[in-house]
Amino acid sequence: AQSVTQPDIHITVSEGASLELRCNYSYGATPYLFWYVQSPGQGLQLLLKYFSGDTLVQGIKGFEAEFKRSQSSFNLRKPSVHWSDAAEYFCAVGAQGNTPLVFGKGTRLSVIA
Amino acid sequence: DTGVSQDPRHKITKRGQNVTFRCDPISEHNRLYWYRQTLGQGPEFLTYFQNEAQLEKSRLLSDRFSAERPKGSFSTLEIQRTEQGDSAMYLCASSPGTGRVETQYFGPGTRLLVL
Repeated sequence: AQSVTQPDIHITVSEGASLELRCNYSYGATPYLFWYVQSPGQGLQLLLKYFSGDTLVQGIKGFEAEFKRSQSSFNLRKPSVHWSDAAEYFCAVGAQGNTPLVFGKGTRLSVIA
Repeated sequence: DTGVSQDPRHKITKRGQNVTFRCDPISEHNRLYWYRQTLGQGPEFLTYFQNEAQLEKSRLLSDRFSAERPKGSFSTLEIQRTEQGDSAMYLCASSPGTGRVETQYFGPGTRLLVL
């Protein structure tokens, strides 16, 4: 069975600073990995995904993530955070066959001036 | 391209009442998923459909919950005899259902509060 761990419940960064959100997954086969963002009271918006190929994937809003199979990780990064990035971020893992996603518990990002 | 829509966006009900939520997926998306999200948690899978066929139900889906997708387009999720523990955000997602691995697109959710 798949599982996802997001070790950081809450992170606070200064506007303009770099950001890295951690995600570790557990899955015996080839994982399909996603990062979603959720603003308060809203649904989930896809930031980026990894299915295969280049292990460094680019997403929307200047985000990127790197798949590291040896570390079972898929960390999300952004070089310079904007105040509008404050939200909840979820990492998820899926399997071949479009089965339901398994999500981590999320990391809440706060951005201070 | 219209996204996934859900109705209502908010629902307040009293314990013991029945509630029904509706999800309209992206047009021509064959696969439809329901998830539940409680405060401070990530979404958890409830059930999903390929066209009108319900493929899997999570053990979270007690017998008070029922989901349908009668014509393979919109879906409804009904909760009978609601309990306070049912208070959560109910999220719907859809995907084309034709590929090996696909992105799931989420709706805005229905927030349920059971008093």
